[in-house]
Amino acid sequence: DAGVTQSPTHLIKTRGQQVTLRCSPKSGHDTVSWYQQALGQGPQFIFQYYEEEERQRGNFPDRFSGHQFPNYSSELNVNALLLGDSALYLCASSLETSGSGYNYEQYFGPGTRLTVT
Amino acid sequence: AQKVTQAQTEISVVEKEDVTLDCVYETRDTTYYLFWYKQPPSGELVFLIRRNSFDEQNEISGRYSWNFQKSTSSFNFTITASQVVDSAVYFCALNTGGFKTIFGAGTRLFVKA
Repeated sequence: DAGVTQSPTHLIKTRGQQVTLRCSPKSGHDTVSWYQQALGQGPQFIFQYYEEEERQRGNFPDRFSGHQFPNYSSELNVNALLLGDSALYLCASSLETSGSGYNYEQYFGPGTRLTVT
Repeated sequence: AQKVTQAQTEISVVEKEDVTLDCVYETRDTTYYLFWYKQPPSGELVFLIRRNSFDEQNEISGRYSWNFQKSTSSFNFTITASQVVDSAVYFCALNTGGFKTIFGAGTRLFVKA
């Protein structure tokens, strides 16, 4: 049973560039959430995708955008990179539970470490 | 506003000692879920436990136990007879409905042999 996978593992970009991170959810899961984890801090919610639509967003600017594909995989795009975007980006998948709104058990991937220079 | 506070930034213990990680949460909602996750050096967050706001029973799973007290808005995590493999960062988290989970800043646990 494949868990959550993310690619790439590490990425180095220059300020002003754009980056795309990818996530494949755990088998059977249909919901994907993205989190940003700066060094020494807890994960911060970026947004969640379900049925190919963003349904909630954290306190992140529009430079952060995403997409979910029919196979439930997801991409996170960040434009006009800033030094402060350097972080571990975590993807979490879960199974929508009858619209209850609770992420009962989120399974996290290993993350993509983004360094902006 | 919802908030999770983990006041202990780092804890260092010697193997076989018991250790308690503190978590205090804030929410005005009456229905919510609390979680603990472990993050080993590999970076992947590992789910440990989920507790809903209506269930204040303490839980024990092997060497792990959790103490949920609504009166003090706390959800503390105790590791009994710690082992070197317990060394990791531990996060407490809160979900009050909606799709957003709020994490504390984490507590880094060092267990020395």
